[in-house]
Amino acid sequence: EPEVTQTPSHQVTQMGQEVILRCVPISNHLYFYWYRQILGQKVEFLVSFYNNEISEKSEIFDDQFSVERPDGSNFTLKIRSTKLEDSAMYFCAMGGMNTEAFFGQGTRLTVV
Amino acid sequence: SQQGEEDPQALSIQEGENATMNCSYKTSINNLQWYRQNSGRGLVHLILIRSNEREKHSGRLRVTLDTSKKSSSLLITASRAADTASYFCATDRAGGTSYGKLTFGQGTILTVHP
Repeated sequence: EPEVTQTPSHQVTQMGQEVILRCVPISNHLYFYWYRQILGQKVEFLVSFYNNEISEKSEIFDDQFSVERPDGSNFTLKIRSTKLEDSAMYFCAMGGMNTEAFFGQGTRLTVV
Repeated sequence: SQQGEEDPQALSIQEGENATMNCSYKTSINNLQWYRQNSGRGLVHLILIRSNEREKHSGRLRVTLDTSKKSSSLLITASRAADTASYFCATDRAGGTSYGKLTFGQGTILTVHP
């Protein structure tokens, strides 16, 4: 299975701090996604990104969140001012039209 | 109501037995995918079945799709202790605004006893 690499694997941050989660995508994939999974709950869609812009975002993805692909390779999710309820596992994924989505190993974010 | 609901929520079997998990959904789909997640780890893609397919096999996995009933099943044959994990179905809705966006179910926790 193609590998999607996420860094860091675990991040602890204080409430109100900014965090940036990074993802190195698989080459030749055009569609990028971020999902999150609060402990014990299901995986939830956050945002999809295509052609260097957001194509869809969920209600969770409010003004505190942003995504970008700054250098044409890494794909980042930024949370500007973290809240306790942002604690979750964050997954990036690569996919496309009617094809498999490949997920990274996730970043476990703990907000204290 | 939720897109992609699995049942049972938890399944406990002995090694060598078969495990069947079911998934129901509510909207038209392009495809349905099954994923596996070991405790606290990443999501591993198992199999994708498109809306025009009825059955797919991959090793010990067999997936069926019934679009008239909006349901799918995942069968793991001759289970092993290493199959112990959570299994999720995820649907790629037809007519969505972004390609490949997945909606996940709550998952089935499978425990295989040696």
